[in-house]
Amino acid sequence: EVQLVQSGAEVKKPGESLKISCKGSGYSFTSYWIGWVRQMPGKGLEWMGIIYPGDSDTRYSPSFQGQVTISADKSISTAYLQWSSLKASDTAMYYCARPQTSHWPYDYWGQGTLVTVSS
Amino acid sequence: EIVMTQSPATLSVSPGERATLSCRASQSVSSNLAWYQQKPGQAPRLLIYGASTRATGIPARFSGSGSGTEFTLTISSLQSEDFAVYYCQQYNNWPQDTFGQGTKLEIK
Repeated sequence: EVQLVQSGAEVKKPGESLKISCKGSGYSFTSYWIGWVRQMPGKGLEWMGIIYPGDSDTRYSPSFQGQVTISADKSISTAYLQWSSLKASDTAMYYCARPQTSHWPYDYWGQGTLVTVSS
Repeated sequence: EIVMTQSPATLSVSPGERATLSCRASQSVSSNLAWYQQKPGQAPRLLIYGASTRATGIPARFSGSGSGTEFTLTISSLQSEDFAVYYCQQYNNWPQDTFGQGTKLEIK
């Protein structure tokens, strides 16, 4: 069974750094892209970026380029989303998701990680 | 960027009735269009891909149609568990996917 299990909720202060994770299991982690999607409180879904763990090919939405870093550690089947300096506007639910292949929608989703940034 | 526009923002329908949700793309996305359902406190769930193909395990009451710039999700006979928010997503410009802003389907 394909599973994406994300790290737990985080409460941070503005200016702090953060790295959240998404562990894949039940499939060959290096053979499938993993994307990240933001959902701000009460709002819709925004695609942030995607990584291919096999060769670390990473693409970003222009809206998020330079704001976050996506990475993966294939030795532990885990993808990451990180911030170097959080802002209050980063408060959101973040989902990782996996498409069946490239040029495909997201079949599998993590449970989400709630990030709250508040002074 | 391809902009996806969903209408209406909120749709009120009685159980057992038909619901029709619309999604429009700012430019052609061919049939590279997906629909997702999201319930409160849950991750989105893929319903439809390729504009009209149901994902695994999705009931037949869900159907999708359209191509190019105009798409429709129809739920033929609403069940209580269908009341949720629905999003369309284009993946024609993969990986630069874009989502619509969502339609909230509520009980009338």
